[in-house]
Amino acid sequence: DAKTTQPTSMDCAEGRAANLPCNHSTISGNEYVYWYRQIHSQGPQYIIHGLKNNETNEMASLIITEDRKSSTLILPHATLRDTAVYYCIVRAREGTSYDKVIFGPGTSLSVIP
Amino acid sequence: DTEVTQTPKHLVMGMTNKKSLKCEQHMGHRAMYWYKQKAKKPPELMFVYSYEKLSINESVPSRFSPECPNSSLLNLHLHALQPEDSALYLCASSQGQTYQPQHFGDGTRLSIL
Repeated sequence: DAKTTQPTSMDCAEGRAANLPCNHSTISGNEYVYWYRQIHSQGPQYIIHGLKNNETNEMASLIITEDRKSSTLILPHATLRDTAVYYCIVRAREGTSYDKVIFGPGTSLSVIP
Repeated sequence: DTEVTQTPKHLVMGMTNKKSLKCEQHMGHRAMYWYKQKAKKPPELMFVYSYEKLSINESVPSRFSPECPNSSLLNLHLHALQPEDSALYLCASSQGQTYQPQHFGDGTRLSIL
């Protein structure tokens, strides 16, 4: 799987959009970009994933650049409950019946009142 | 509330004890996972079960013994653990196809005396 790099930490004002970048410059054509987050004292939570088109769900939007070398996770109106570590993960299709996820260090997002 | 239930939430044990961690899901998922997470570090994959068979063992010491009695249950048997094994142990499940996101429990916090 391609390696990802993320900022170690970020702050965001409550109510503002939180934009979390991820660099995956060595991504291959069949690799998806996944985002998970982990709120303190909880297990990781799946947020969203995409291949090349922008994606949106009830939690967030995922913007992938045209060359697919980077992406941005957008939380449109950050709340204090969005304070968490956010993990960007690139996953390749392996034809297996399971999903081997390798977590990197992630970005620690602090939402400030 | 998570759909993956882990028990117990906390466990303190001595180095000579034998204990087990339990994980249960009723989403019909066919892949189940154990992760270990040390403080301020990302989760590290330990084991993967796919269709109740062990598919991945990430070179985990034999003092950790996984078991998958049926498609809904996953156990982690612990014996002769070391203090450095103190960590949060997370269980996850997924539908059993590559790319399907994982659903995590909130973990068992294990302390070895």
